[in-house]
Amino acid sequence: EAQVTQNPRYLITVTGKKLTVTCSQNMNHEYMSWYRQDPGLGLRQIYYSMNVEVTDKGDVPEGYKVSRKEKRNFPLILESPSPNQTSLYFCASSSPGGEDNEQFFGPGTRLTVL
Amino acid sequence: GIQVEQSPPDLILQEGANSTLRCNFSDSVNNLQWFHQNPWGQLINLFYIPSGTKQNGRLSATTVATERYSLLYISSSQTTDSGVYFCAGHGGSQGNLIFGKGTKLSVKP
Repeated sequence: EAQVTQNPRYLITVTGKKLTVTCSQNMNHEYMSWYRQDPGLGLRQIYYSMNVEVTDKGDVPEGYKVSRKEKRNFPLILESPSPNQTSLYFCASSSPGGEDNEQFFGPGTRLTVL
Repeated sequence: GIQVEQSPPDLILQEGANSTLRCNFSDSVNNLQWFHQNPWGQLINLFYIPSGTKQNGRLSATTVATERYSLLYISSSQTTDSGVYFCAGHGGSQGNLIFGKGTKLSVKP
């Protein structure tokens, strides 16, 4: 089954404790991206990657890091989480250039930073 | 600047009614897409529609790129259509996807 998986789905942590949210896709997609969703603000892009070893900042990259060492994985790293990073996070992947350019989203990770 | 604006922000319909959701986007946005987020939070790609019209069952979408807007039509709405509808377009680079704030649709039985 074609899918994007994220782990963990729910996480409560404390300020300053480093964490990683994993994202993996099994569709051999070149493009992967991370978004955060906050009430009244819609989805905002954090980072994206057009292919292995190629990453770029989205609109709200501060406080986040990413890496793309393999095509299927695109982890999101919060080196020192703060309460303003409490949010719902989505990972997505697609294969740009196709007729549909359909984005596949993961199920989301709800993060609370105390 | 790069802007994607959606209207209306909220919409309540009776089951069976039709609706039109609108997305206006600025000059630097292209390759419009529509998404649906169901009440459980799952995001689904509805249409990739840089221009022209596409239809999928009761849903259709039209983008008039020269006039910087896109419309999503929902006909004979069902309670399962409830959720938030987002439009999004690529901004400064091919990978930079900008979302509107969404239209929250509630379909009542």
